[in-house]
Amino acid sequence: NAGVTQTPKFQVLKTGQSMTLQCAQDMNHEYMSWYRQDPGMGLRLIHYSVGAGITDQGEVPNGYNVSRSTTEDFPLRLLSAAPSQTSVYFCASSYGGEAETQYFGPGTRLLVL
Amino acid sequence: GEDVEQSLFLSVREGDSSVINCTYTDSSSTYLYWYKQEPGAGLQLLTYIFSNMDMKQDQRLTVLLNKKDKHLSLRIADTQTGDSAIYFCAESGGGGADGLTFGKGTHLIIQP
Repeated sequence: NAGVTQTPKFQVLKTGQSMTLQCAQDMNHEYMSWYRQDPGMGLRLIHYSVGAGITDQGEVPNGYNVSRSTTEDFPLRLLSAAPSQTSVYFCASSYGGEAETQYFGPGTRLLVL
Repeated sequence: GEDVEQSLFLSVREGDSSVINCTYTDSSSTYLYWYKQEPGAGLQLLTYIFSNMDMKQDQRLTVLLNKKDKHLSLRIADTQTGDSAIYFCAESGGGGADGLTFGKGTHLIIQP
């Protein structure tokens, strides 16, 4: 198993540009989520999904869109990047079973100029 | 809303025990977790405890939960340089559907 994979690892954008952060998992997990990590802020939940076709907002959803057309993939879209979206983005997945253990991807470092 | 609080830094001597503390506000938390993040890396699940447990031990790690005071701690015995990392406390309200609420992380600094 590759676990949770994220691409790209690094990205630099200009304000107003759009891009999609990719996340995939091969563990047949139902639950997937996106977090952003900022210095001194810990991790904050952006969006999450409890299964294909179902998404919902987390703590900081503004400026981000998600979709879940398959169990494996959960892309995060920035429609018009802003400097405030400079952060490290982590995708996570879990089976949703007994311990709800979430497995995290390696992260995508995004810089918006 | 839910809140998880941790101290930002902890400095210990190599070989001593480290105790990282965490408090949370959500009384409906089902599971509480400790994650470790090394520089430039993702989060690694260290251990977790179910809310009806008081203690869990896993090799050098001991988790203590005081549900009445909403206080969670992680003890690392015989701290080594490889333990140097940021440790995040997180709580889940159950079902895993709405993700985890994380603390801001405690930087564990190991002195030689």
